[in-house]
Amino acid sequence: AQSVSQHNHHVILSEAASLELGCNYSYGGTVNLFWYVQYPGQHLQLLLKYFSGDPLVKGIKGFEAEFIKSKFSFNLRKPSVQWSDTAEYFCAVKWVDTGRRALTFGSGTRLQVQP
Amino acid sequence: DTAVSQTPKYLVTQMGNDKSIKCEQNLGHDTMYWYKQDSKKFLKIMFSYNNKELIINETVPNRFSPKSPDKAHLNLHINSLELGDSAVYFCASSQDSGRTGELFFGEGSRLTVL
Repeated sequence: AQSVSQHNHHVILSEAASLELGCNYSYGGTVNLFWYVQYPGQHLQLLLKYFSGDPLVKGIKGFEAEFIKSKFSFNLRKPSVQWSDTAEYFCAVKWVDTGRRALTFGSGTRLQVQP
Repeated sequence: DTAVSQTPKYLVTQMGNDKSIKCEQNLGHDTMYWYKQDSKKFLKIMFSYNNKELIINETVPNRFSPKSPDKAHLNLHINSLELGDSAVYFCASSQDSGRTGELFFGEGSRLTVL
């Protein structure tokens, strides 16, 4: 079955530290990849997306992610986190060539940034 | 103007009751979804409609019944509520029949069953 794994369930960082959150998916083929962020008590918002082209994509608020096809990975990075980045981060995958019409989400990573 | 709006935002009710959550999108999208987020923040697709046609119906109890009167609206009715139904229910929409996968989410409806 197609699945998405986020290995870091809870990450605690100090402000200005660098961030990398892992995301792997289980099945090859053509994929569209997403990172969503959910701030406390709020809905999910799109951070960035990858459909094709340059595997290094830049999103909002200084986030970027790199698609490595050979590793089935799409890790999220930020060079210097801020307290306001405290949130839940979700990786999501759309398998384009399987006919499955819904996004599959990872289990999320809770990021806590300490001032 | 909220792009995807859900009502109510909070719902507290007793076991055995019936309740509905409504969703409306003004983005002109053709596909709408219901996702359930449990207490561990895990997001799971429940249903999806494309132009009023049900296209995704995951393993969800029959007590849950979605209805889409038109492509801008998707409602969720839940009969005989159980404690395990407590969750946040997110409505979402997408364009191009969901081909790209990009979703636009509503603010969620937090359902608490006592």
